[in-house]
Amino acid sequence: EIVMTQSPVTLSGRPGERATLSCGASQSISSNLAWYQQKPGQAPRLLIYGASTRATGIPARFSGSGSGTEFTLTISTLQSEDFAVYYCQQYNNWPLTFGGGTKVEIK
Amino acid sequence: EVHLVDSGGGLVQPGEYMTISCAVSGFFVTTNHMAWVRQAPGKGLEWVAVMNPGGNTFYADSVQGRFFVSRDNSKNKVDLLMKRLRAEDTAVYYCTKFSSNTFMDYFDYWGQGTLVTVSS
Repeated sequence: EIVMTQSPVTLSGRPGERATLSCGASQSISSNLAWYQQKPGQAPRLLIYGASTRATGIPARFSGSGSGTEFTLTISTLQSEDFAVYYCQQYNNWPLTFGGGTKVEIK
Repeated sequence: EVHLVDSGGGLVQPGEYMTISCAVSGFFVTTNHMAWVRQAPGKGLEWVAVMNPGGNTFYADSVQGRFFVSRDNSKNKVDLLMKRLRAEDTAVYYCTKFSSNTFMDYFDYWGQGTLVTVSS
């Protein structure tokens, strides 16, 4: 099973700041990585797939990069609605696995 | 427009069973790969079960032999029958759809989730 490790666990930021979230895979997953955003009491929402392709309707301030074992989700300018938990998920190997999440909170 | 509506959760005693449902609109469950993903309170996401258009199912080791996915084609919905429930099965259960016709993929649409609480 591929283990997905996200860091940091919590990221404190202010509106207008840049946020960088990391996701590491225990073995290479090529670019088969997705990012999801989850707000309290809501279901996860797909943000990024293929490591760098934004899903439909996702603002351009969200960008993904990386391949192999190291991946990054960048929020260029934090907006109030971006404070949430972010999960990465690999779909290169079975079983599918998620990272433990990074909580982006208001500083 | 795609919608998934999860229902049927609640409180159940350990060892008992419960069925939760996912009603779908905007696409057909008979032609899409579907999954159940759960989230224990305050924890991360864990896939539980998947079903393909052919009706083939796969389960996480933690629920193998206790959980069963079924499909009602006439109602365009997917059910998850959970038997011999344990306290550690307590979670919000999300119905979700794979983006393409393969299990090796990401999830593009999610239900709102239904909470299953296993407690005496």
